[in-house]
Amino acid sequence: EVQLVQSGAEVKKPGESLKISCKGSGYSFTSYWIGWVRQMPGKGLEWMGIIYPGDSDTRYSPSFQGQVTISADKSISTAYLQWSSLKASDTAMYYCVRRTVTTLAFDIWGQGTMVTVSS
Amino acid sequence: SYELTQPPSVSVSPGQTARITCSGDALPKQYAYWYQQKPGQAPVLVIYKDSERPSGIPERFSGSSSGTTVTLTISGVQAEDEADYYCQSADSSGTSVVFGGGTKLTVL
Repeated sequence: EVQLVQSGAEVKKPGESLKISCKGSGYSFTSYWIGWVRQMPGKGLEWMGIIYPGDSDTRYSPSFQGQVTISADKSISTAYLQWSSLKASDTAMYYCVRRTVTTLAFDIWGQGTMVTVSS
Repeated sequence: SYELTQPPSVSVSPGQTARITCSGDALPKQYAYWYQQKPGQAPVLVIYKDSERPSGIPERFSGSSSGTTVTLTISGVQAEDEADYYCQSADSSGTSVVFGGGTKLTVL
């Protein structure tokens, strides 16, 4: 079965760092893009950025450039999303998604990781 | 920045046809994709490349495109179709992915 399994929920304080993960299985991890999508409480979907694990080519939404870092370790089929200094406004559900090479379709979604930032 | 515009809500009775629109200047050049999100769940792809349906998605879901507007049509709406629906596409250069604001479909 093709799936993306994300790390568990996190509760952090403002200013702390965080790295969440997304492990792919059931397919060739290096042959598809892996992206990240934010959903703030009660709000819509926002595309954050994407990485191609095959060569680590990474692109960011202008809204998230410089705010987060996307990376991947192809040896363990895992992508990451990290923050160096969290803010309360980073409180949201974060989904990792698989994107095909030939289209922009996000055909597989992880179950989501809830990040809560509160003092 | 590029935007996709969807109506905030659409309401239909069971068995009727629901149409959800998504408008954007680059849609004549870029394909659109549609996702269904039920409460507490991750989104699911229901239409790709304007009108293609992934395997496992019921035939009552269809998509179409005309100029700067794409439309998700759900024929014979069922109670289980009540959800939020999001369109997704890219700007004219294909560089930046964008989601519409989402449409809440209510089945009366």
